[in-house]
Amino acid sequence: GAGVSQSPSNKVTEKGKDVELRCDPISGHTALYWYRQSLGQGLEFLIYFQGNSAPDKSGLPSDRFSAERTGGSVSTLTIQRTQQEDSAVYLCASSLARAGEGYGYTFGSGTRLTVV
Amino acid sequence: AQSVTQLDSHVSVSEGTPVLLRCNYSSSYSPSLFWYVQHPNKGLQLLLKYTSAATLVKGINGFEAEFKKSETSFHLTKPSAHMSDAAEYFCVVSDLKGTYKYIFGTGTRLKVLA
Repeated sequence: GAGVSQSPSNKVTEKGKDVELRCDPISGHTALYWYRQSLGQGLEFLIYFQGNSAPDKSGLPSDRFSAERTGGSVSTLTIQRTQQEDSAVYLCASSLARAGEGYGYTFGSGTRLTVV
Repeated sequence: AQSVTQLDSHVSVSEGTPVLLRCNYSSSYSPSLFWYVQHPNKGLQLLLKYTSAATLVKGINGFEAEFKKSETSFHLTKPSAHMSDAAEYFCVVSDLKGTYKYIFGTGTRLKVLA
């Protein structure tokens, strides 16, 4: 597609339920990143994919968080047993090769997750 | 470790006056630096980027930024603010080791007064 697509745009879930957030990057972008934007915390890095592998998962806050990427394209971020502190906007970004080489990222519009 | 500090959490300017959003970075090697803008309920949009070419970088919508190594700064400027510039602005440094993940500043919310 023309941009990075994320779904759903909004998700309200009950505490303790599992949620899946989807990211469809720009076609041909090999690098994919997940970030979380929450009040008082700013933008935090969660995980980085290069192709289907995740060489950097250092930002995942707990073992309740996991992510995968298939076919070098779509990525899913899964949060198990959601807690209220998981409420945030989850942003996905993709990049041609690696962002530090000057391409920059293209961000999706995010999924706003609210845990009640 | 890399980091960025945005010196002002809020900036207010009158329409038609200059904009200055300040950013200082810390990096153990030559960084890649970016400015992103986020309008309310919208995604992050790249304004401009510095990747060790020209130190004065021009971006979209009349914004520019100057990389000053001696001052470790990458301030964002615009000669004349427009109402549509009201948004949150993020200064970003890219980790050049391996993952190229972004380290974001805490953001500056720009308000433009009529």
